[in-house]
Amino acid sequence: GENVEQHPSTLSVQEGDSAVIKCTYSDSASNYFPWYKQELGKRPQLIIDIRSNVGEKKDQRIAVTLNKTAKHFSLHITETQPEDSAVYFCAASRGIGGFKTIFGAGTRLFVKA
Amino acid sequence: NAGVTQTPKFQVLKTGQSMTLQCAQDMNHNSMYWYRQDPGMGLRLIYYSASEGTTDKGEVPNGYNVSRLNKREFSLRLESAAPSQTSVYFCASSGGQGLGAFFGQGTRLTVV
Repeated sequence: GENVEQHPSTLSVQEGDSAVIKCTYSDSASNYFPWYKQELGKRPQLIIDIRSNVGEKKDQRIAVTLNKTAKHFSLHITETQPEDSAVYFCAASRGIGGFKTIFGAGTRLFVKA
Repeated sequence: NAGVTQTPKFQVLKTGQSMTLQCAQDMNHNSMYWYRQDPGMGLRLIYYSASEGTTDKGEVPNGYNVSRLNKREFSLRLESAAPSQTSVYFCASSGGQGLGAFFGQGTRLTVV
């Protein structure tokens, strides 16, 4: 079945450094790729998303890139801050009939002050 | 504007007991979802409702039933709880296919 693999499972960076989280999906029909941030004990929250008709999208310190040929997409966080510490989930779904969103297992990001 | 509200926040059940998790959204979204979250496994879709009047199975539907009561409300029922259903459950809604989801605050369920 469809799956999304996410790496690394844990990432520790120094404040101010960049963090990169990578995901690979298996369903070639996927064309919507959201990213969620979940702080400890809280609900997941959508932070950025990208559709298959674009290769990159940026929103302040976060950016996502998509390589449809390789079925890879990545989250980039620049100038990390302690409040970026959380678990980040990537996900993939189809635009048409895209209700079955498949999530990656998550990346726990630690930003050390 | 409350967004997505689910109840209860915490619940302890004995094996074999039943219960219903309630979820309501006030964003006029067509689609609603139930996920479970287990350590190291991300979020797995249990059931979804693409629109009012329809429901479909997700990745892990066994042991659960759902009801889309109206556009606002989508409930999840455990008929005979099992320890394997110990998890954190999240309800979510979205404007439709290919759109990001908004999550409720979660229900931590323990089955003993």
